[in-house]
Amino acid sequence: GENVEQHPSTLSVQEGDSAVIKCTYSDSASNYFPWYKQELGKRPQLIIDIRSNVGEKKDQRIAVTLNKTAKHFSLHITETQPEDSAVYFCAATPEAAGNKLTFGGGTRVLVKP
Amino acid sequence: DVKVTQSSRYLVKRTGEKVFLECVQDMDHENMFWYRQDPGLGLRLIYFSYDVKMKEKGDIPEGYSVSREKKERFSLILESASTNQTSMYLCASRLGYEQYFGPGTRLTVT
Repeated sequence: GENVEQHPSTLSVQEGDSAVIKCTYSDSASNYFPWYKQELGKRPQLIIDIRSNVGEKKDQRIAVTLNKTAKHFSLHITETQPEDSAVYFCAATPEAAGNKLTFGGGTRVLVKP
Repeated sequence: DVKVTQSSRYLVKRTGEKVFLECVQDMDHENMFWYRQDPGLGLRLIYFSYDVKMKEKGDIPEGYSVSREKKERFSLILESASTNQTSMYLCASRLGYEQYFGPGTRLTVT
């Protein structure tokens, strides 16, 4: 089955700096890669996703990149703000698995004012 | 607005007890999921269901069972709770590719 590894496990950045979280996956059949954000005490929520036919996707201050050859994908947050402090999860799935997502271990991001 | 609710936010049970965790969604989603969340391990899939009375094992089904008698309700059952099942349990339902999560149940087994 799919295995997703996520790094780093914790990340502390100064407000205004950029944050980068990296994930690798094992199943070359995976073709959908979402990112979820979980604020303290709240439920995870989808913030951005990318499909394998696209190499990069942006939404305001966040962007995801995908390298299918190397089987890794990354989340980039620019101009970080205190409200970006949260745990971020990457995930991967092949469509044939019926959206059975395999999640990474999570990255706790702390944005210091 | 999608709403996924779980029966309890916090639950304390004793070893050996039978535990029921309930999840309800109000958007007529066919797919529903139960995850367990532990620090450093991310979200691990326990069971999922793609239709009423249909279920499939996830990555860590041992010690758990599920029930889906109605489309909107998906229950997770711990037949005989053990201390290693102390965790945060999250339910989710799916529309398209996006999964919508419930608020979670923090279960402590003593």
